Amino acid sequence: DGGITQSPKYLFRKEGQNVTLSCEQNLNHDAMYWYRQDPGQGLRLIYYSQIVNDFQKGDIAEGYSVSREKKESFPLTVTSAQKNPTAFYLCASSQGYRNYGYTFGSGTRLTVV
Amino acid sequence: GENVEQHPSTLSVQEGDSAVIKCTYSDSASNYFPWYKQELGKGPQLIIDIRSNVGEKKDQRIAVTLNKTAKHFSLHITETQPEDSAVYFCAASIRGGSQGNLIFGKGTKLSVKP
Repeated sequence: DGGITQSPKYLFRKEGQNVTLSCEQNLNHDAMYWYRQDPGQGLRLIYYSQIVNDFQKGDIAEGYSVSREKKESFPLTVTSAQKNPTAFYLCASSQGYRNYGYTFGSGTRLTVV
Repeated sequence: GENVEQHPSTLSVQEGDSAVIKCTYSDSASNYFPWYKQELGKGPQLIIDIRSNVGEKKDQRIAVTLNKTAKHFSLHITETQPEDSAVYFCAASIRGGSQGNLIFGKGTKLSVKP
C-alpha cells in the first residue's frame, strides 16, 4: 500500500542537541511539507518542497532545516537554535503543488528533556 | 497573507443530531477545498473535498457546500456517532508563498455525546 511514513513516533531531545525527523513517501508525490502542531492549536507550516533539490521556508522556519535530495524523502532537522521545539510534527505530501489535497503521516512527537 | 477562518472552535452535539462547521476564505483564486479529520495523536485524514465548479458534494453522512460568491464553504455531518468525535480542519488552495499550497483553518473540536 502507498503511504507516507514518519519515524520515530516519539523522540526525546536534550537541550542543545540537533535531531532529525524522518519522512518517507511511496506515493510518487512531487510536493512534501512539514507542519508543527502545538496542543489545541492548528497547523503551522515549517518548510515545503515542490520538487527535488528545492524547498521554501514556511511561516515558522527559524531553527529548522530540511533537505530534498530524493523525491520520496524529506527529512526535518530541529536545531539547537529552535528555542521551544516540544511539539507534534506532521509531514505531508501532495501529487502536485496546485489544487491537490495533502496526505499526512502519523506524526512524530518531540519532547525536550 | 491569505487566511481561512473556521467556526465554531468547539462543537458539542448529541448522538444522532447534525453538526455544521463553517469556513470563509480570502483568496478569490482558491478553487479547491478539502476537509480533514484528526483523531487524538494521529495525522489528519482527508474526508471530503470540493472544487469550485461544484456547489455541493455528498459522501454518505458527510456533505460539503461551497458558495464562491460569498467565499464560504461548510461541512455537514448528519446522524452523528461517537466515532465522529475529532478535530476537523478546513483548507483552501492558495498560490504558494510562505503558507504553502493549502491554507488551513484553526480547527473545530467536535464532541458527540452518546
